[in-house]
Amino acid sequence: DQQVKQNSPSLSVQEGRISILNCDYTNSMFDYFLWYKKYPAEGPTFLISISSIKDKNEDGRFTVFLNKSAKHLSLHIVPSQPGDSAVYFCALRGYNFNKFYFGSGTKLNVKP
Amino acid sequence: NAGVTQTPKFQVLKTGQSMTLQCAQDMNHNSMYWYRQDPGMGLRLIYYSASEGTTDKGEVPNGYNVSRLNKREFSLRLESAAPSQTSVYFCASSELASGISEQFFGPGTRLTVL
Repeated sequence: DQQVKQNSPSLSVQEGRISILNCDYTNSMFDYFLWYKKYPAEGPTFLISISSIKDKNEDGRFTVFLNKSAKHLSLHIVPSQPGDSAVYFCALRGYNFNKFYFGSGTKLNVKP
Repeated sequence: NAGVTQTPKFQVLKTGQSMTLQCAQDMNHNSMYWYRQDPGMGLRLIYYSASEGTTDKGEVPNGYNVSRLNKREFSLRLESAAPSQTSVYFCASSELASGISEQFFGPGTRLTVL
């Protein structure tokens, strides 16, 4: 049973507009929430994270929002750029620090 | 500073063959991980090692064994490969800490079992 779900396998956005990627989870035993970006034939790279005690974290064009009551995590990219086209994974870290649970990924295509 | 390296990049095996995937990191991280990525499934944890000398099972350990050879190296062994083990395998490392500790990933090994 998947604890972490990314229900949109793909998303297409025009350059300059906002991209919103979503992630839902089923239990509360996570202390950190992360987003990774993955290009073809490469390993995932860390993008941004948020602690369970916060509800928003910004880093340049990237903002992560956490709604613990809804068990929902989202990543906003504003403005979107063609170089942002990649697969985005959310990852949740369990309280034992060692285990990370990944969503299935959302493929973002930013059209010029 | 190479980060996390994995060998080989590609491998084709026949059912029943064995092989070892190698992983090394040069960031002096305590924790290392092996994941597999299958279409529509995201990354699933196979085994992890919190520190040198320790290993633990993840979500999908069946059919695999691991060795934490030293702080730098963490290998994954398939003793008798099966078609269900066709996947892309990623090794990762991180610093074990109570604060945020993102994982650094290698480039992956694409394995096909015929």
